[in-house]
Amino acid sequence: DTGVSQNPRHKITKRGQNVTFRCDPISEHNRLYWYRQTLGQGPEFLTYFQNEAQLEKSRLLSDRFSAERPKGSFSTLEIQRTEQGDSAMYLCASSYHDRGEKLFFGSGTQLSVL
Amino acid sequence: QKEVEQDPGPLSVPEGAIVSLNCTYSNSAFQYFMWYRQYSRKGPELLMYTYSSGNKEDGRFTAQVDKSSKYISLFIRDSQPSDSATYLCAMIRGSARQLTFGSGTQLTVLP
Repeated sequence: DTGVSQNPRHKITKRGQNVTFRCDPISEHNRLYWYRQTLGQGPEFLTYFQNEAQLEKSRLLSDRFSAERPKGSFSTLEIQRTEQGDSAMYLCASSYHDRGEKLFFGSGTQLSVL
Repeated sequence: QKEVEQDPGPLSVPEGAIVSLNCTYSNSAFQYFMWYRQYSRKGPELLMYTYSSGNKEDGRFTAQVDKSSKYISLFIRDSQPSDSATYLCAMIRGSARQLTFGSGTQLTVLP
């Protein structure tokens, strides 16, 4: 059990560019979540997968954001046409299907949009 | 008004002190309550998880839930410099899949 792994750890991009982040959950976990955290705030829910199915999306998730989890393993979060307001820490978490309230987080990807 | 309110601090205490961290919430549908610890530039780490009202103890940590007052607390006994971190309360409705977090309290334990 190596924990939840996220790559890259840091991403600097120019406004208008597309970025993609990857998350590898704990191998036995079939639930995967994306959260966003800005400085001085708690994480905010973005979206949730059970296996490969995306079951919930927050209203925070504009149409510039898309997430996938092919084959129910790793997940990717893509942001198209980035804006300065997208600058944040993007956190991935995973959990067992029957212990969904116990989330294990990765170290996050820090995105800076210039 | 946010569903979960947490005093952001910062809170600074001497080593060995008892620390009390608190959150209030407005939605009575919250059923599960958690405390996460987050070190700088790291993801949150689950510390304590409780379901019902009352106390739950784990080593130097005690989580307390008062559903009638919509108030949860985390107590840290014999605080250590390694406890210096941001502490986030979080809660979830029974049927939901998303955690609602407080804004976090930044704690510094001075040696």
